[in-house]
Amino acid sequence: RKEVEQDPGPFNVPEGATVAFNCTYSNSASQSFFWYRQDCRKEPKLLMSVYSSGNEDGRFTAQLNRASQYISLLIRDSKLSDSATYLCVVRNTGFQKLVFGTGTRLLVSP
Amino acid sequence: NAGVTQTPKFRVLKTGQSMTLLCAQDMNHEYMYWYRQDPGMGLRLIHYSVGEGTTAKGEVPDGYNVSRLKKQNFLLGLESAAPSQTSVYFCASSSGHIRSTDTQYFGPGTRLTVL
Repeated sequence: RKEVEQDPGPFNVPEGATVAFNCTYSNSASQSFFWYRQDCRKEPKLLMSVYSSGNEDGRFTAQLNRASQYISLLIRDSKLSDSATYLCVVRNTGFQKLVFGTGTRLLVSP
Repeated sequence: NAGVTQTPKFRVLKTGQSMTLLCAQDMNHEYMYWYRQDPGMGLRLIHYSVGEGTTAKGEVPDGYNVSRLKKQNFLLGLESAAPSQTSVYFCASSSGHIRSTDTQYFGPGTRLTVL
């Protein structure tokens, strides 16, 4: 079983739609959580950190459920430019190493 | 600030050839990392370094060597390339501070094909 699991998608949505991705992690010692965005043939870039109380950055909302060991990302009012692969990432206690999910692909169409 | 840079961007090798990938960062970060990314596998850690002069093995270190002679540079070497090493290689760096929000910044990647 992979330590971080994501639905690979693709999620096909029209512009303006709301879309949500979930990610589950298996290590209960995981300490920090992030969502990265990766455009085709580009490097991953940090989208947002995920805090225990949940957090929002513009149209993006991230939630963490430690009891069930899952993380979610909600994108409201989808834009064409949101088309990308979204990587769920965790860091375990005491380590600087990150564990990456394989990503969920989002396609936003006009 | 260039952030994290990688050279070369593309390379084609024949089986058995050797090469070195160079990563440089100008953010004064302590930690540096080399990953490979393959379809369906996600990013996998090859080697990492927690400071100048130190290196450590990651998840998939076989067939690779690294060196961190200067804080700003992290080199990845392939001594005898194999087709299984065809991949996209990303370098990353982080401050190393123990903060929950500390994260990694990636270079643009090197696309390597081994024939």
